[in-house]
Amino acid sequence: SQQGEEDPQALSIQEGENATMNCSYKTSINNLQWYRQNSGRGLVHLILIRSNEREKHSGRLRVTLDTSKKSSSLLITASRAADTASYFCATAQLRSWGKLQFGAGTQVVVTP
Amino acid sequence: GAVVSQHPSWVICKSGTSVKIECRSLDFQATTMFWYRQFPKQSLMLMATSNEGSKATYEQGVEKDKFLINHASLTLSTLTVTSAHPEDSSFYICSAPHDTGNQPQHFGDGTRLSIL
Repeated sequence: SQQGEEDPQALSIQEGENATMNCSYKTSINNLQWYRQNSGRGLVHLILIRSNEREKHSGRLRVTLDTSKKSSSLLITASRAADTASYFCATAQLRSWGKLQFGAGTQVVVTP
Repeated sequence: GAVVSQHPSWVICKSGTSVKIECRSLDFQATTMFWYRQFPKQSLMLMATSNEGSKATYEQGVEKDKFLINHASLTLSTLTVTSAHPEDSSFYICSAPHDTGNQPQHFGDGTRLSIL
């Protein structure tokens, strides 16, 4: 079963704008991971944030984690057309080593 | 870096056929692998945990006799969709976790299964 929700379900922005998407989950976690999926393709790992971390950066990506609210956000700054994809958060729960529960995903469209 | 290879990438076959999908870890050993299913425009749903040398663990609602999993070696897990029907058409993806469990998972590129 899915761990939680993501919002928005879809996001349409123009190149250069920032894109923010949120993920909520239900149970205690070891870590939370963000993945990108281009249409009909496999998953590309973006960032992993551990339960004792609050914020992480990787290039134009910024991820936050609030374990008290059981939520995370992914910010893509200065978006590009190539960022068009679906973005999923996935949680690795305590005592479920390796097993990931995925959120519903956010479909992002970046127009030139 | 570590890579997981999944084969085939695309299968089209007739209803009633059994289809085998392979998931290989190329440069690391994976005692555990995971199989996910993704329907169009939906998220990934965990189907089962593949355990090397022992029986797979299936998630609730997943028919173990329908989706046979074999993990005969430390680098290979196979998922066989038995007597496939059109409702089994989906995108199947495997993954293998890093040793420590607190590292990113390595995902295969997925197999698109279309049952006519």
